Amino acid sequence: GAVVSQHPSWVICKSGTSVKIECRSLDFQATTMFWYRQFPKQSLMLMATSNEGSKATYEQGVEKDKFLINHASLTLSTLTVTSAHPEDSSFYICSARPGEVEQFFGPGTRLTVL
Amino acid sequence: GQNIDQPTEMTATEGAIVQINCTYQTSGFNGLFWYQQHAGEAPTFLSYNVLDGLEEKGRFSSFLSRSKGYSYLLLKELQMKDSASYLCAFVDSNYQLIWGAGTKLIIKP
Repeated sequence: GAVVSQHPSWVICKSGTSVKIECRSLDFQATTMFWYRQFPKQSLMLMATSNEGSKATYEQGVEKDKFLINHASLTLSTLTVTSAHPEDSSFYICSARPGEVEQFFGPGTRLTVL
Repeated sequence: GQNIDQPTEMTATEGAIVQINCTYQTSGFNGLFWYQQHAGEAPTFLSYNVLDGLEEKGRFSSFLSRSKGYSYLLLKELQMKDSASYLCAFVDSNYQLIWGAGTKLIIKP
């Protein structure tokens, strides 16, 4: 149990385009989902906390107009990177929390912006 | 304030034992996680400690001392596949995960 999927697993796009990443909890409902970004050889950096049916809470320094988060249902959250630039190239990981504590991670999406 | 600290890198020999330490400071605490992360992959759950003491799970054990703000992950009978980054993270009073930078463990034959 407690499986989280992400789609796509990797994506290459041109600078200036937008990319949508989906995060789904497959066998549980998650009122809270998290979006992380991880640059090479660095730890996870929390970007935003997504609560179903409400606006996401963004961490300091993360542009909410650039990283659009939608948590439309208890099993799906999406992250859209708008007007992507090469510096947005990173490993994006979502996690879902069915209760208060443990988070279950998706497999990650590797974004490369040319 | 909050902070969490773990060594950047450790090296150990196949078949040996290694202990990865994690220290933290926080006013609110709801447990501490250890995750394993192989390069290019998402973290996978190893352990969760909320009470003081040692939790053993096969070759891996995790220890917590809340009064000292200290945890360690103990890996026994090291295998080459254990080469990975090990991340500790504590749960704060808002139930947010506060992550350490990770310890890269290198296993040598």
